[in-house]
Amino acid sequence: DSGVTQTPKHLITATGQRVTLRCSPRSGDLSVYWYQQSLDQGLQFLIQYYNGEERAKGNILERFSAQQFPDLHSELNLSSLELGDSALYFCASSDRDSSYNEQFFGPGTRLTVL
Amino acid sequence: AQSVTQLDSQVPVFEEAPVELRCNYSSSVSVYLFWYVQYPNQGLQLLLKYLSGSTLVKGINGFEAEFNKSQTSFHLRKPSVHISDTAEYFCAVRPTGNTGKLIFGQGTTLQVKP
Repeated sequence: DSGVTQTPKHLITATGQRVTLRCSPRSGDLSVYWYQQSLDQGLQFLIQYYNGEERAKGNILERFSAQQFPDLHSELNLSSLELGDSALYFCASSDRDSSYNEQFFGPGTRLTVL
Repeated sequence: AQSVTQLDSQVPVFEEAPVELRCNYSSSVSVYLFWYVQYPNQGLQLLLKYLSGSTLVKGINGFEAEFNKSQTSFHLRKPSVHISDTAEYFCAVRPTGNTGKLIFGQGTTLQVKP
C-alpha cells in the first residue's frame, strides 16, 4: 500500500458525459501528479500540482482539468468524454517539488466510456 | 524532448533463470532513470533509481540495473526470477532540472513460467 488513495476504482459512463476522479496523496506529500495509461498511448503524464499550484503540464487535453485543494487532495475533471478517453488514470504523490524525489502511485481509477 | 524505448514488449522466462529487460533512452538534457513494476490490478511501485554515482544500482526484490551513459541504456537484470516476478515493468526518465513528469517506456511484460 503506497498510501495514495484514489476513488472511485471503476467508472463506467457514456460519451459526452463529465466525470471527476479524486486523489488523496500520502500524508505530508505536497506534490500530486496525474498520469493516463491506455493501450495505444502507454503511460503519459498529464499534470502536476504542488501545494495547490499547477507546476507542470503534459499531454493533457483541453477537455480535462485538475485542481489541488487546501487539504492537498486533488481532482481530475474529464468532460465531453470520448471513447478514446477510456483508460486507467493514476495519481502519484511526492513530498517535495523535486525531480529526484520518488513518486508514490495510487491503485488507479479505471474509466470506461461507452 | 525525451523518449524511452523498451526493446522487448514481452519476455518469457523459466523460473530460476536469469533475465534482462532492456531500456534505451534519448534526451538532450541530463536525466534521472527509474524502473517501476506494475503487478496485475495494482499501481506502479518503484524498483530502483539512478540519480548519480555508481552506475550499478540495486533495488528491491533482487533486481539491479546498470546505467550506461555512452549507450544511453539502463537495462534491468535479475539473476534468478520467481513466479511472483510476473508483472509489467516500466523504464522511465525524468529531466534533472524538471520538477514534473516522468516519461515512461511502453512497458515489458515479464512472464515467468514454472
